[in-house]
Amino acid sequence: QVQLVQSGAEVKKPGASVKVSCKASGYTFSSQYMHWVRQAPGQGLEWMGWINPRTGGTKYSQKFQGRVTMTSDTSMNTAYMDLSSLRPDDTAVYFCARLRGKGSGWTNWYFDLWGRGTLLTVSS
Amino acid sequence: SYVLTQPPSVSVAPGRTARITCGGNNIGDQSVHWYQLRPGQAPVLVVYDNSDRPSGIPERFSGSNSGNTAALTISRVEAGDEADYYCQVWDSNSDHWVFGGGTKLTVL
Repeated sequence: QVQLVQSGAEVKKPGASVKVSCKASGYTFSSQYMHWVRQAPGQGLEWMGWINPRTGGTKYSQKFQGRVTMTSDTSMNTAYMDLSSLRPDDTAVYFCARLRGKGSGWTNWYFDLWGRGTLLTVSS
Repeated sequence: SYVLTQPPSVSVAPGRTARITCGGNNIGDQSVHWYQLRPGQAPVLVVYDNSDRPSGIPERFSGSNSGNTAALTISRVEAGDEADYYCQVWDSNSDHWVFGGGTKLTVL
């Protein structure tokens, strides 16, 4: 079964770090980029960045540059998203999403498979 | 960065047609993708590349894109279509993926 299974909910204090995992199954994990997207309460979707599991290459949204680190373990078919210096406004549901598509450039690429999300609550 | 504008809400009676718009500067030159979000569930891709449907998505879901407006049209709306819908593009200038603000579809 093709799916992405994410780790469970987390509660953290401001200033702490969190590591969210996303385990892939049913397809060749290393062959497709994994992205991370979050949704704060009552807000829309916000793109955070991607990792190429095959090479470990990453690209982060400027908003999260310096605070986010995306890694992967191909032996475990798992992607990770590490967010540091947490603030209350980092409270959100964090999704991993597989990128699929065709063509040069990313125009015709889209997120065809998503995890169910991991709720992160940042509160003192 | 590139901005996508969606109406916050759209309401439609069962059996009627819902149209959710996504505005952006010359968005017709982009490839637009649409996602359905229900609380507690994984988001679902419903339209990609402006008007293509993934397998398993009913033909009732269709997309269009021209000029400054892309649209997701849902025909013969059902209660189960009630969800939040997001449009998305890739912004080549910033090399960032961009989402619209989302539209809550309410089935009356």
